[in-house]
Amino acid sequence: DQQVKQNSPSLSVQEGRISILNCDYTNSMFDYFLWYKKYPAEGPTFLISISSIKDKNEDGRFTVFLNKSAKHLSLHIVPSQPGDSAVYFCAARTGNQFYFGTGTSLTVIP
Amino acid sequence: KAGVTQTPRYLIKTRGQQVTLSCSPISGHRSVSWYQQTPGQGLQFLFEYFSETQRNKGNFPGRFSGRQFSNSRSEMNVSTLELGDSALYLCASSVDPGAYGYTFGSGTRLTVV
Repeated sequence: DQQVKQNSPSLSVQEGRISILNCDYTNSMFDYFLWYKKYPAEGPTFLISISSIKDKNEDGRFTVFLNKSAKHLSLHIVPSQPGDSAVYFCAARTGNQFYFGTGTSLTVIP
Repeated sequence: KAGVTQTPRYLIKTRGQQVTLSCSPISGHRSVSWYQQTPGQGLQFLFEYFSETQRNKGNFPGRFSGRQFSNSRSEMNVSTLELGDSALYLCASSVDPGAYGYTFGSGTRLTVV
């Protein structure tokens, strides 16, 4: 049972434009959400996180939005750069366990 | 400081064999967790160890097991390999269980033929 879902396997965006990656979850007990970025042949690296008590967290070009009523999480990258091309995983935490989405492959076109 | 080190990077095994994967966490990190990544399922949690004790376990059969040593290094073992076990196995370390922002290793790519 996939408790965290990323319904878009891939996304292509022009350099300089906004990239929006989406994530939906089903478990209302999740209290912390994270985004990871993964390049080929490397492990995921932590990107940005948000607590369930907040609805927005910003770090440079990256902003994560949380809509608890809709159980929806999104990552905005502005402006998108070619180096942002990677697979992005969202993850949610309950207790000491993390649940991951299947990932969205972002391609930023120069 | 050195990152999370996983060995070997690549492995090819035949069905029915067993395999052991190794993970050395970042110095000072006492929690190690293991994940299986497949194209269709994304990252699936296997188990987490802290102070040589398994703290959490995902929904995997008993063929998947692990352990953690006193120096926090961890091993994962898969017995009676099946074709469906082919995946990238990732290890992540953190200071404590449930700590935010795990640091992942590069993974071990296991191919079962």
